[in-house]
Amino acid sequence: AQKVTQAQTEISVVEKEDVTLDCVYETRDTTYYLFWYKQPPSGELVFLIRRNSFDEQNEISGRYSWNFQKSTSSFNFTITASQVVDSAVYFCALGVTGNQFYFGTGTSLTVIP
Amino acid sequence: NAGVTQTPKFRVLKTGQSMTLLCAQDMNHEYMYWYRQDPGMGLRLIHYSVGEGTTAKGEVPDGYNVSRLKKQNFLLGLESAAPSQTSVYFCASSGRGSETQYFGPGTRLLVL
Repeated sequence: AQKVTQAQTEISVVEKEDVTLDCVYETRDTTYYLFWYKQPPSGELVFLIRRNSFDEQNEISGRYSWNFQKSTSSFNFTITASQVVDSAVYFCALGVTGNQFYFGTGTSLTVIP
Repeated sequence: NAGVTQTPKFRVLKTGQSMTLLCAQDMNHEYMYWYRQDPGMGLRLIHYSVGEGTTAKGEVPDGYNVSRLKKQNFLLGLESAAPSQTSVYFCASSGRGSETQYFGPGTRLLVL
């Protein structure tokens, strides 16, 4: 079965703090893809990153970084020096053969000024 | 380049009424998807299409039908709306399966 778990339902941090959003996935496929999307209060879904199962290199993009660990089936997302504009719901998703995506239930991040 | 657009943005239906949601993409993508988003449940796949003229069921297909008569359009139909179908509906498209999906702005549907 395919499944994505985002155990953190809501997180609040004070501006400039670092925050890590957890994502754990389950799949028996050997080839799969992992994604993070951001949904700001305006409601649209914004693509952040895509990783395939053969690429375990961590990635950094500005204040954002992602840690992919196949050994623990995790794909965690860290925001460094958080800002109010980072307040949003963040979704982790798993893409597998069969063209389907499986989304986690999302983590709502509030950055307090 | 509009990306993925959805029509309408908001709609109120009475139980038993029917309606069609339209999704259009201008990225020449092969794959298109319809999701619903409900509080605390993330996004759940309703139906998807891997090309013009083809459709397949997703995780929660009951009560919905779809059609992909043109590559750029993917229609989601509700034949007899029920209050349980109150939700936000998102359309997405991708070049191929498991490639990045790009989402439309969403349609908020309220069924009374």
